Amino acid sequence: DVKVTQSSRYLVKRTGEKVFLECVQDMDHENMFWYRQDPGLGLRLIYFSYDVKMKEKGDIPEGYSVSREKKERFSLILESASTNQTSMYLCASRVRTGEGGFYGYTFGSGTRLTVV
Amino acid sequence: TQLLEQSPQFLSIQEGENLTVYCNSSSVFSSLQWYRQEPGEGPVLLVTVVTGGEVKKLKRLTFQFGDARKDSSLHITAAQPGDTGLYLCAGAGTASKLTFGTGTRLQVTL
Repeated sequence: DVKVTQSSRYLVKRTGEKVFLECVQDMDHENMFWYRQDPGLGLRLIYFSYDVKMKEKGDIPEGYSVSREKKERFSLILESASTNQTSMYLCASRVRTGEGGFYGYTFGSGTRLTVV
Repeated sequence: TQLLEQSPQFLSIQEGENLTVYCNSSSVFSSLQWYRQEPGEGPVLLVTVVTGGEVKKLKRLTFQFGDARKDSSLHITAAQPGDTGLYLCAGAGTASKLTFGTGTRLQVTL
């Protein structure tokens, strides 16, 4: 079975801490994504990466950065955690779109981050 | 930013009932996907619809893509407790990015 693995299911961090969320996929996918999910707001795209060392801002990149040094790993970094970053964070990957095709995302199980 | 509105937000029904979830936008999408998310897990892809007017069936689930490729619906026949979850539609616009809807939380009770 293909897998996207997020390193932690639950995290509690203090305001001002630097937080690293790790995501690893074993499908050799080029594209990887970080979303946050909040009640009533759905999934909002933070950052995505088309390939190694490439990154693009999503809809809500403020307060976040990312790193993609290897194809299988995409890390989300909260430079200085704040309480409004308390959320469920979901990582996803997908193969690059082929001609005429659009492939679905495979998601990890999520990391529920609480910033106190 | 493209927006997708889902309705209803919440739905609580009894086993055996039928239901329809709607996903609407003012934007045109090249394709639209539906996902189901169970508590404590990430969303799982159910279906992708690509052609305007397309209808796809997955057992008791019927998915339809609007003729103008701006809206979609999910119909469940004879709902079962195993259908409980959060249903998300997602539209494909530019490049590889998906825009997700606000979600419909379905509860099916015995």
